[in-house]
Amino acid sequence: GESVGLHLPTLSVQEGDNSIINCAYSNSASDYFIWYKQESGKGPQFIIDIRSNMDKRQGQRVTVLLNKTVKHLSLQIAATQPGDSAVYFCAEKAGGTYKYIFGTGTRLKVLA
Amino acid sequence: DAGVIQSPRHEVTEMGQEVTLRCKPISGHNSLFWYRQTMMRGLELLIYFNNNVPIDDSGMPEDRFSAKMPNASFSTLKIQPSEPRDSAVYFCASSSQLAEETQYFGPGTRLLVL
Repeated sequence: GESVGLHLPTLSVQEGDNSIINCAYSNSASDYFIWYKQESGKGPQFIIDIRSNMDKRQGQRVTVLLNKTVKHLSLQIAATQPGDSAVYFCAEKAGGTYKYIFGTGTRLKVLA
Repeated sequence: DAGVIQSPRHEVTEMGQEVTLRCKPISGHNSLFWYRQTMMRGLELLIYFNNNVPIDDSGMPEDRFSAKMPNASFSTLKIQPSEPRDSAVYFCASSSQLAEETQYFGPGTRLLVL
């Protein structure tokens, strides 16, 4: 879960298609997860969260899936729009703690 | 509702100068976090305050960095003296213990130390 590296993985999708961004989290004790969207020059913006007692949670055009068995989190964006272009981070936190572990981020590029 | 407010948004300074970054958390939030973001290390937690009290400052790089939270609506992060390697984007985030523990980030201060 430590953020490293100079190069972010990039996902390119056609406008209107669905996007799936994946995240492998590091701590099996983590019980709360957030997806953030960070646009260029801005701070991370909360998108959706999920607790470990759930497998799936839906928002507006976004769905988060949690697989605790393999410590995997995914963010699905339906009908991807140009405004969805950004870097997406997952963050995990264990119960009773305040420290979040942030993923390295994935850059989403929406092609017109 | 106003989100987390940070100032300045951009700061360019020379090595050796003192830099002060400011943050106003979301009203009613009692937890405040300072982060630093770089390409090499991503988001790093510097310090965490709860009810204005510093709880964990283990992420503060060295003695040149200090942070204060004199009241529930204001916090500062100071670098003295600044060095080129301090160049980064500094984010402040706040959360409420009454809510879902979600952290809400400010727009950040982009610091460049020449």
